[in-house]
Amino acid sequence: NAGVMQNPRHLVRRRGQEARLRCSPMKGHSHVYWYRQLPEEGLKFMVYLQKENIIDESGMPKERFSAEFPKEGPSILRIQQVVRGDSAAYFCASSPVPHEQFFGPGTRLTVL
Amino acid sequence: AQSVTQPDIHITVSEGASLELRCNYSYGATPYLFWYVQSPGQGLQLLLKYFSGDTLVQGIKGFEAEFKRSQSSFNLRKPSVHWSDAAEYFCAVGARYSSASKIIFGSGTRLSIRP
Repeated sequence: NAGVMQNPRHLVRRRGQEARLRCSPMKGHSHVYWYRQLPEEGLKFMVYLQKENIIDESGMPKERFSAEFPKEGPSILRIQQVVRGDSAAYFCASSPVPHEQFFGPGTRLTVL
Repeated sequence: AQSVTQPDIHITVSEGASLELRCNYSYGATPYLFWYVQSPGQGLQLLLKYFSGDTLVQGIKGFEAEFKRSQSSFNLRKPSVHWSDAAEYFCAVGARYSSASKIIFGSGTRLSIRP
């Protein structure tokens, strides 16, 4: 059983461009979570999704950020019109049930 | 609101010495508790978790942690560290009675090993 997969592992964007981060959960896992880690900091919760539903988006910035977890395919975290402050590592986690989360390797976003 | 405090930002211990990383949490009831380890440039690996039952929890790589309700603590211990244990360690708490099961992370403790 492959672990949580994230791609790309590294993403470079210029200010104003869009960033799309993908997360494929472990097989059989229907819960997906996104976290952001700024340099020298811990992980901060962004959003929790189940298939086709956003359960908790209390950590998502109000603008430019969106997430989805469609019936088919990976979960997508989308950042529109990126700014330098969006540079961070973005981690996805999945779980078969709430609370026991398995983390992917992360996508490191650099905004130039 | 839930919160996690890791009071030590950086700890250095000698190889073979014992280790204790501190973690205190704030939560209205007994939460789910976790310790994760992150090597540079890598994702997070679960070391151990406490959900219920025995308050002394054994994890991978020889780590253990003890849940102390009276002190709201969940300190991580290892009797003898190895150079490969150098990494960032995160304590985390999850809400037990919430359908929104996000995990709240502490700010981390960086562990360095002295040869």
